[in-house]
Amino acid sequence: EDKVVQSPLSLVVHEGDTVTLNCSYEVTNFRSLLWYKQEKKAPTFLFMLTSSGIEKKSGRLSSILDKKELFSILNITATQTGDSAIYLCAVRNAGGTSYGKLTFGQGTILTVHP
Amino acid sequence: DVKVTQSSRYLVKRTGEKVFLECVQDMDHENMFWYRQDPGLGLRLIYFSYDVKMKEKGDIPEGYSVSREKKERFSLILESASTNQTSMYLCASTMTGGYYEQYFGPGTRLTVT
Repeated sequence: EDKVVQSPLSLVVHEGDTVTLNCSYEVTNFRSLLWYKQEKKAPTFLFMLTSSGIEKKSGRLSSILDKKELFSILNITATQTGDSAIYLCAVRNAGGTSYGKLTFGQGTILTVHP
Repeated sequence: DVKVTQSSRYLVKRTGEKVFLECVQDMDHENMFWYRQDPGLGLRLIYFSYDVKMKEKGDIPEGYSVSREKKERFSLILESASTNQTSMYLCASTMTGGYYEQYFGPGTRLTVT
């Protein structure tokens, strides 16, 4: 059974801080790892990672994957109150189907205080 | 612009009622999914569909059924709602293939009293 574990489960910081969110996984046949941000609405896509060691970057957010150690990190620099959200990590198993089925972690609740 | 819509944002039902949650996507995606989201448990897959009239059980299908009569529409049915089905329900869709993101609807917060 595929498994995704995120840590920490919640985090409170002040504006300007840098945060690192962790995602470890066990999947029988890895295809890709995805990060989503969820405010009080639909989760929105941030990154998809398929190869180890290649950093994906979007503004103050970046993410990297380590397929040997089976984890990914999501970094947010110079945090702002608008970064307050639940951050979701999910993995896709390549085996057997092309349906795009994802297994999600518990999510990390990030709160950024002014 | 990509869009997944859900029929209700908030719903309150009584124990034993039959509940229908509707999801519509306008992206011509083959695959659609229903999740429930509970604090500390993340998103858990209830059912998914990879084609019209086709469905597969996810990780927690008990107490739920689904219907996909048209490609753009995927319905989740609670045959007899129970209080432990109080949750946030999220619908998603994606293209076939392993390298596409899933697009999510805004969610339906269902309360069963």
